[in-house]
Amino acid sequence: AQTVTQSQPEMSVQEAETVTLSCTYDTSENNYYLFWYKQPPSRQMILVIRQEAYKQQNATENRFSVNFQKAAKSFSLKISDSQLGDTAMYFCAWRIQHAGSARQLTFGSGTQLTVLP
Amino acid sequence: GAGVSQSPSNKVTEKGKDVELRCDPISGHTALYWYRQSLGQGLEFLIYFQGNSAPDKSGLPSDRFSAERTGGSVSTLTIQRTQQEDSAVYLCASSPGVFTGNTIYFGEGSWLTVV
Repeated sequence: AQTVTQSQPEMSVQEAETVTLSCTYDTSENNYYLFWYKQPPSRQMILVIRQEAYKQQNATENRFSVNFQKAAKSFSLKISDSQLGDTAMYFCAWRIQHAGSARQLTFGSGTQLTVLP
Repeated sequence: GAGVSQSPSNKVTEKGKDVELRCDPISGHTALYWYRQSLGQGLEFLIYFQGNSAPDKSGLPSDRFSAERTGGSVSTLTIQRTQQEDSAVYLCASSPGVFTGNTIYFGEGSWLTVV
């Protein structure tokens, strides 16, 4: 079974600074997707960034980037120039790539990030 | 609507009562998921619908939980004889189809409190 582990239950960062959230996962699959979702107090899960396991290049979306280390099964999220609106719970998630298998996302337990003014 | 819509937003029920939670996915999305999020926890998969295929019920925690999806659109999650441990946020999500690279879009959830 696949597992996703987020070892940092809470983190804080000063506004405009950079913060990195950690995520490790365990799978025997070779082809899969990894995601970071953000959940603000409104409860709506919002996709922040995604990475295809077959791509060596790390994904980037504006101030958000990932460090994907496939051999180490590590998938960290870096937030640059942190903003107050980044305050949220962040979830790392895994999903198999090929059809015919379970298609649901497997989530970590989340990291609560607080951006301090 | 533009996003996944869930109702009710909040529900308080007495232990032993049945509850129904509704999800209206994004128009045209054939895949629909239900997840449960207990306080301070990650998301626990419950059930998955894809088009007219038989649903994947592998995540349902007990036979008190059931879900249906009518006409390939709206879905209802039913919890019978609710227990206090059922208190959680129930999140519905949808995605465009079978391709597992498709983005999954979530609703804002239904917060269930069993007293």
